[in-house]
Amino acid sequence: EPEVTQTPSHQVTQMGQEVILRCVPISNHLYFYWYRQILGQKVEFLVSFYNNEISEKSEIFDDQFSVERPDGSNFTLKIRSTKLEDSAMYFCASVTGGRYEQYFGPGTRLTVT
Amino acid sequence: AQSVAQPEDQVNVAEGNPLTVKCTYSVSGNPYLFWYVQYPNRGLQFLLKYITGDNLVKGSYGFEAEFNKSQTSFHLKKPSALVSDSALYFCAVRDISGTYKYIFGTGTRLKVLA
Repeated sequence: EPEVTQTPSHQVTQMGQEVILRCVPISNHLYFYWYRQILGQKVEFLVSFYNNEISEKSEIFDDQFSVERPDGSNFTLKIRSTKLEDSAMYFCASVTGGRYEQYFGPGTRLTVT
Repeated sequence: AQSVAQPEDQVNVAEGNPLTVKCTYSVSGNPYLFWYVQYPNRGLQFLLKYITGDNLVKGSYGFEAEFNKSQTSFHLKKPSALVSDSALYFCAVRDISGTYKYIFGTGTRLKVLA
């Protein structure tokens, strides 16, 4: 069964550094998402992406964040200058057209020191 | 604005007993509702959805959910709980305003006791 993959599984970075989190959504999916989850608590929406552009972003998704789908398969989340409070699990998800349920990747644990 | 509420942070149930995890929603228009489960250190897994049709929807691992329009609820149920059902459960609603955004509840931790 196809699945969403994410790399790396764990990223440790210093405050102020840039990080890129990578996701490979399921190949025929059309809608892509990033979420974050702090300490196994609530799942916070960051951004949705459709037709090569952002369709919605949350207030968390400020100028330090950006997303790209550079080559038609990867979907990346970049944090330009990480802060301590960016430490969280980051999940990518994708949805195929007409089905609505999201398929989530296993997540990237980001630790900012 | 669309929203979902999960009023219980934790639900404890004995193995073999029926379980219910509650979810209420607030949407304008017809809701698209979902349940997901998260096991420790894993991503969320889709369990079931209500889009239209029968109010009782069946999903993975023996779970089902009942859509109740008058009570704006979408409670998750299982007739006989297993210890392996212990996990974090999230209710979600899809925003219908055209942004393709999904809104998640705060999660309910289910603990099934042997």
